[in-house]
Amino acid sequence: KAGVTQTPRYLIKTRGQQVTLSCSPISGHRSVSWYQQTPGQGLQFLFEYFSETQRNKGNFPGRFSGRQFSNSRSEMNVSTLELGDSALYLCASSYGGPGTGELFFGEGSRLTVL
Amino acid sequence: AQSVTQLGSHVSVSEGALVLLRCNYSSSVPPYLFWYVQYPNQGLQLLLKYTTGATLVKGINGFEAEFKKSETSFHLTKPSAHMSDAAEYFCAVSDRNTNAGKSTFGDGTTLTVKP
Repeated sequence: KAGVTQTPRYLIKTRGQQVTLSCSPISGHRSVSWYQQTPGQGLQFLFEYFSETQRNKGNFPGRFSGRQFSNSRSEMNVSTLELGDSALYLCASSYGGPGTGELFFGEGSRLTVL
Repeated sequence: AQSVTQLGSHVSVSEGALVLLRCNYSSSVPPYLFWYVQYPNQGLQLLLKYTTGATLVKGINGFEAEFKKSETSFHLTKPSAHMSDAAEYFCAVSDRNTNAGKSTFGDGTTLTVKP
């Protein structure tokens, strides 16, 4: 079974630009979650999508948004990039039913904002 | 609200020595607990999880953890460290009344294994 696939793996943007990251979950998984990982803040929950609906949301500004498609693939977008948005963005998938278990992570998209 | 505290951001052991990584959690409801490992430039991989039942949980690569409700702890151990265990380890908690999509992670512990 193929794992979670994130694209692109690396990207460099400048302040003010916007970026879109993509995540393909494990086949059969209906939940996709996004996390931001930085040395200073650790792993921060951005949001979770389940069946094309945002089910949970972390404490990030509205510049961070996401969506999920009918095939469970998900994208997240960051508009008006700031230097502080430089981070590893991790996508994780899970079956998504209530009380289910672990997250399966992709290798991440490393964003550098100059 | 849930939270996780990992005691010690860096732990160094000699090869063959006991590995002990500490995790304490706070949760208003019975939690699900997880340990993940992250190697450089990779995502996180599940080591083990506690959901219900036996409080001593065995995971991959010889790791195990014990859920102690009275101490609100879920410490990770391995009897004998190997060089390949060098990585960053994260403890995480999720609310069993919702789902694992919204897990709360500790700040991580970097394990160094000396030859």
